Amino acid sequence: DAKTTQPNSMESNEEEPVHLPCNHSTISGTDYIHWYRQLPSQGPEYVIHGLTSNVNNRMASLAIAEDRKSSTLILHRATLRDAAVYYCIPTGNTGNQFYFGTGTSLTVIP
Amino acid sequence: DTAVSQTPKYLVTQMGNDKSIKCEQNLGHDTMYWYKQDSKKFLKIMFSYNNKELIINETVPNRFSPKSPDKAHLNLHINSLELGDSAVYFCASSPRVSPRANEKLFFGSGTQLSVL
Repeated sequence: DAKTTQPNSMESNEEEPVHLPCNHSTISGTDYIHWYRQLPSQGPEYVIHGLTSNVNNRMASLAIAEDRKSSTLILHRATLRDAAVYYCIPTGNTGNQFYFGTGTSLTVIP
Repeated sequence: DTAVSQTPKYLVTQMGNDKSIKCEQNLGHDTMYWYKQDSKKFLKIMFSYNNKELIINETVPNRFSPKSPDKAHLNLHINSLELGDSAVYFCASSPRVSPRANEKLFFGSGTQLSVL
């Protein structure tokens, strides 16, 4: 299973963009990079995923490095509701079963 | 309708008791999971079932026994509860076991288990 490294915590001001980094240097060529987040007292929820190209959806953007050894989740305008723990999870067709690491705890400051 | 629902939301019990947590998904998914989140917030997979068949058992004590009566339900029965079993237990589902890489997990809201 690919190992991930994320900052334990980050802070952002409300309405500012947030860039959440993740290193996954042992990722295999067929692993997708998934991001989930867990709001306080809730179950994790899907945010975004990608393979090689950058991805955008209504929640966030995902920027994947050319060598795929790192990725960055981008929240374009942080709101108070975005305060959560964000998990980066490389997921493949063999072996990986959505193993969650320790994630990054994002605090949004009003 | 809630996609993945768990009951109960809170469960307080004494050491040594046997308890069950129920999970149901109405998404038509084939694969269901149980995760445990401990006091340090580390989220660890326990089991996964694909269409009623056990796929993953992650070195969980055999006091924990998942049961899947059909692919929409995955219940977790815990015998002889111990203090260390106190945690939040999350049920989840995904469309299929394979291919997995491009699919999403959908989680329930969790069951807070407190063993006294």
